[in-house]
Amino acid sequence: GAVVSQHPSWVICKSGTSVKIECRSLDFQATTMFWYRQFPKQSLMLMATSNEGSKATYEQGVEKDKFLINHASLTLSTLTVTSAHPEDSSFYICSASSGKADTQYFGPGTRLTVL
Amino acid sequence: AQKITQTQPGMFVQEKEAVTLDCTYDTSDQSYGLFWYKQPSSGEMIFLIYQGSYDEQNATEGRYSLNFQKARKSANLVISASQLGDSAMYFCAMRELTYNQGGKLIFGQGTELSVKP
Repeated sequence: GAVVSQHPSWVICKSGTSVKIECRSLDFQATTMFWYRQFPKQSLMLMATSNEGSKATYEQGVEKDKFLINHASLTLSTLTVTSAHPEDSSFYICSASSGKADTQYFGPGTRLTVL
Repeated sequence: AQKITQTQPGMFVQEKEAVTLDCTYDTSDQSYGLFWYKQPSSGEMIFLIYQGSYDEQNATEGRYSLNFQKARKSANLVISASQLGDSAMYFCAMRELTYNQGGKLIFGQGTELSVKP
């Protein structure tokens, strides 16, 4: 149980294009999903928290208009990187939990490379 | 502000031996949870073990145990009988429960564990 999937697992795109990453909870309802960013050999940095049916809460310094998050259902959240630039290249990981006090289960991550 | 500190960037351990990965935390909240995650080179984050701040006994999950010392604000991970597959990054994380309505996790810097055959 507690499986979270992410799609795609890796993506290469040209500078200026937009990329959408999907995060799905496969066997439980995720009332809250989280999006993290991780640079090589570094820790995870929380970008935003999304609750189903409401607007995402972004961490300080994260551009809302650049990283669009949608949590349309209890099993799906999407992160869209708009007008991607090479500095957006990173490993993006989502996690999901069924409640505030519950364990977060992570997706396998998406490696984004912007040329 | 809450903070997690892992002071060991890298650790080596001989196969079949036990190893302790250090984690200290800082919080003003009375109610919080502590987590350990493993991240192999593939990148996925694997949940290992959880300790609640009010849990009186140290958490154990198979070969993993959490040495929780509340007064010292430490939550060290002990891996017994290390295996080659244990080689990975290990992250300690905390979630405050009282004031953290979002349930977000704060991660430490990580410790890279290498198991030698």
